[in-house]
Amino acid sequence: AQSVTQLGSHVSVSEGALVLLRCNYSSSVPPYLFWYVQYPNQGLQLLLKYTSAATLVKGINGFEAEFKKSETSFHLTKPSAHMSDAAEYFCAVSGGMRTGGYNKLIFGAGTRLAVHP
Amino acid sequence: DAGITQSPRHKVTETGTPVTLRCHQTENHRYMYWYRQDPGHGLRLIHYSYGVKDTDKGEVSDGYSVSRSKTEDFLLTLESATSSQTSVYFCAISESGAIGGGTDTQYFGPGTRLTVL
Repeated sequence: AQSVTQLGSHVSVSEGALVLLRCNYSSSVPPYLFWYVQYPNQGLQLLLKYTSAATLVKGINGFEAEFKKSETSFHLTKPSAHMSDAAEYFCAVSGGMRTGGYNKLIFGAGTRLAVHP
Repeated sequence: DAGITQSPRHKVTETGTPVTLRCHQTENHRYMYWYRQDPGHGLRLIHYSYGVKDTDKGEVSDGYSVSRSKTEDFLLTLESATSSQTSVYFCAISESGAIGGGTDTQYFGPGTRLTVL
């Protein structure tokens, strides 16, 4: 079974500061990991995903995440926060490829990022 | 943006009444999903569909039913709405259900905010 824990339901940073959103996962099989972003009153949008290629994954809007198997982590970072980054961020895990069928996504509870001037 | 629309976008109803939410896609994707989003829980899968007339339960399916008579439409029905079903409902689509391939990304609609009084 898979599960996701996002540490910190709210994170606040200054504009220009480092953004670090934490995600730890639990999976009995090699995981696939995702970060989604949700802007106010909108649906979720994929930021980036890890599917067993490079452990450092680059996504849209300057975000990146590093898969660390030894720490069961997939933290999301951005070197310099922008006001437009204010949103809710969701980490999700899935259990890997299957032939046919469906691999469900398990979402974390989300982290709301606030960026202040 | 993926061509996904949800209707209605907002609905207020009373306990015990039936409610149907509609998801419509123009991408011809095979997989469609219904999630609910609640504070502190992230997104949880209600039902999903892997083709016309092919559906299966997710983790929180009690009190919900779905139907898919056409590729482009996926309906979620609350047979007798309860206050615990007050939530934001998201539809998502993907080309493939097998996570890890190039077609596994789930695209989300804008959501329906449902309030059951």
